[in-house]
Amino acid sequence: ETGVTQTPRHLVMGMTNKKSLKCEQHLGHNAMYWYKQSAKKPLELMFVYNFKEQTENNSVPSRFSPECPNSSHLFLHLHTLQPEDSALYLCASSQGRQVFQETQYFGPGTRLLVL
Amino acid sequence: GQQVMQIPQYQHVQEGEDFTTYCNSSTTLSNIQWYKQRPGGHPVFLIQLVKSGEVKKQKRLTFQFGEAKKNSSLHITATQTTDVGTYFCAGPGQAGTALIFGKGTTLSVSS
Repeated sequence: ETGVTQTPRHLVMGMTNKKSLKCEQHLGHNAMYWYKQSAKKPLELMFVYNFKEQTENNSVPSRFSPECPNSSHLFLHLHTLQPEDSALYLCASSQGRQVFQETQYFGPGTRLLVL
Repeated sequence: GQQVMQIPQYQHVQEGEDFTTYCNSSTTLSNIQWYKQRPGGHPVFLIQLVKSGEVKKQKRLTFQFGEAKKNSSLHITATQTTDVGTYFCAGPGQAGTALIFGKGTTLSVSS
């Protein structure tokens, strides 16, 4: 619907597992974002990539590792997560010319549960 | 750092009642955006306001940008059950950083 897809939609992982979240946008945008959404902090920006370069990292723990191979794809690699990392992980994209004020288009999210 | 504050955090209304959520900033905003997230869904862009004192309407939704461009409001007339969800405002980030989202107002409607 929005042109931004995320896989998987649901993920259950143990604290010792390694997994990756994938985001793909079909809107021709150049900026992509990862957000964490939990009950305590509704929309918490994690990373921003603009024209494949990381431009923001909001003090995210190193157990989250983003990768942006091109402007259409964004990954979030997860390893040795904690139960408090359980949340909805949202990907978004925007045009990339003026990220500070551009409309963002969100994917459906990946619901992550860490056991 | 720059923040946009939203109130109230939660609001419950009876179907047919009106609803308003407010967004405030300590600094002047060049523009403000509003998003809606349905339960189990993802944020969806509703509108962007740019001009001082601007008022825009989308059916039963009225969006307003303050004269000083430091506050904004979203008013829903005669709420329906389809209006349930969380409404976020978002203002520009500083120094080229991404949008700053408010914490949202979650609306529930009982019929």
